[in-house]
Amino acid sequence: SQQGEEDPQALSIQEGENATMNCSYKTSINNLQWYRQNSGRGLVHLILIRSNEREKHSGRLRVTLDTSKKSSSLLITASRAADTASYFCATDATGSARQLTFGSGTQLTVLP
Amino acid sequence: NAGVTQTPKFRVLKTGQSMTLLCAQDMNHEYMYWYRQDPGMGLRLIHYSVGEGTTAKGEVPDGYNVSRLKKQNFLLGLESAAPSQTSVYFCASSYFSIQETQYFGPGTRLLVL
Repeated sequence: SQQGEEDPQALSIQEGENATMNCSYKTSINNLQWYRQNSGRGLVHLILIRSNEREKHSGRLRVTLDTSKKSSSLLITASRAADTASYFCATDATGSARQLTFGSGTQLTVLP
Repeated sequence: NAGVTQTPKFRVLKTGQSMTLLCAQDMNHEYMYWYRQDPGMGLRLIHYSVGEGTTAKGEVPDGYNVSRLKKQNFLLGLESAAPSQTSVYFCASSYFSIQETQYFGPGTRLLVL
């Protein structure tokens, strides 16, 4: 079963615009991570936010976590063509079998 | 450091054939994982290992076996390949727990005819 689900499934924006993608999950979590996957490549870790944190920044990335709504958002500011990729959230549920559960991803296209 | 490497990059098998995928990491990580990724889906955990000599089942273990004889290597075996195992396989590793950052290899694309 997939714990995290991203929304939207696909997003197309112009270079310089901000991109926001969302992740919803079903059960309580220890932490939530965001990963990026360029076409035909492996996943690259972007940011990890723990359940007791509400917001985290890393460069042009801003992640929020609302545990009451069981949701997270990833904001990429001033997007670049190189940001074109699929973005996945991954959660580890409290008390679960020991694994990260990945969503199905948001495909972001940044047009030059 | 090479990070996480996978061999081979691409393979075509006939139904019923067997093969082994090799994953190697040079980061001295304790934990290693095998995932599969199918179109339109996220990654699903096949098997994982929390240290040399250990293995455990993930979400979709059927039809696969694994071994972790050396800390740096994690092997995924398909004893009798089926078309349903056509997928992209990713290996990953992490230092001290499953919940922390995982480092991924470039993937192995497998086609079973």
